[in-house]
Amino acid sequence: SQKIEQNSEALNIQEGKTATLTCNYTNYSPAYLQWYRQDPGRGPVFLLLIRENEKEKRKERLKVTFDTTLKQSLFHITASQPADSATYLCALPASGGSYIPTFGRGTSLIVHP
Amino acid sequence: DAGVIQSPRHEVTEMGQEVTLRCKPISGHDYLFWYRQTMMRGLELLIYFNNNVPIDDSGMPEDRFSAKMPNASFSTLKIQPSEPRDSAVYFCASSPGQGGETQYFGPGTRLLVL
Repeated sequence: SQKIEQNSEALNIQEGKTATLTCNYTNYSPAYLQWYRQDPGRGPVFLLLIRENEKEKRKERLKVTFDTTLKQSLFHITASQPADSATYLCALPASGGSYIPTFGRGTSLIVHP
Repeated sequence: DAGVIQSPRHEVTEMGQEVTLRCKPISGHDYLFWYRQTMMRGLELLIYFNNNVPIDDSGMPEDRFSAKMPNASFSTLKIQPSEPRDSAVYFCASSPGQGGETQYFGPGTRLLVL
């Protein structure tokens, strides 16, 4: 099954800078990859989905890239704000024939004012 | 829409007791998922249903765990008997259409087994 790797160390950045989070996977190329945001004491909230034939997806200040050669997705938040502080999870199908996502452990982002 | 509703939000029980967690998915969503989240293991899929039918329960840790979905608007996850290692946050999520591409999570139930 798929192994998903996200940096377990928190990412600390200054307000206004661009935050970049990484999601690496180890096995087959998934049909899609998702990013979710999770705040303390709450369930994950879906942010973006990018498909295998897409290189890049944008939504407001968010940008996701998907490199199937590197087996990596990058998640960018431009002009970051303290309100962006949260844990960000990536998710992708657990196996080649499945559409059911399996989640990475997440990376905590802390944006300092 | 109210979103996915879970109850209770917090549960404290003693080892050996039965625990029942409840979930109401978003109306019209065909898929329902139960997850468990811990610091050690992250977010793990326990079981999911499609149109009220259990499709994959391979993530259920052992026979002490069972899940049901008697109708499209209600599901339960039961632990009997509970053990301290079951302490975790349990999330229910629902999804429209095809296989959970976008999942909508409930607020979770924080379970503590003493």
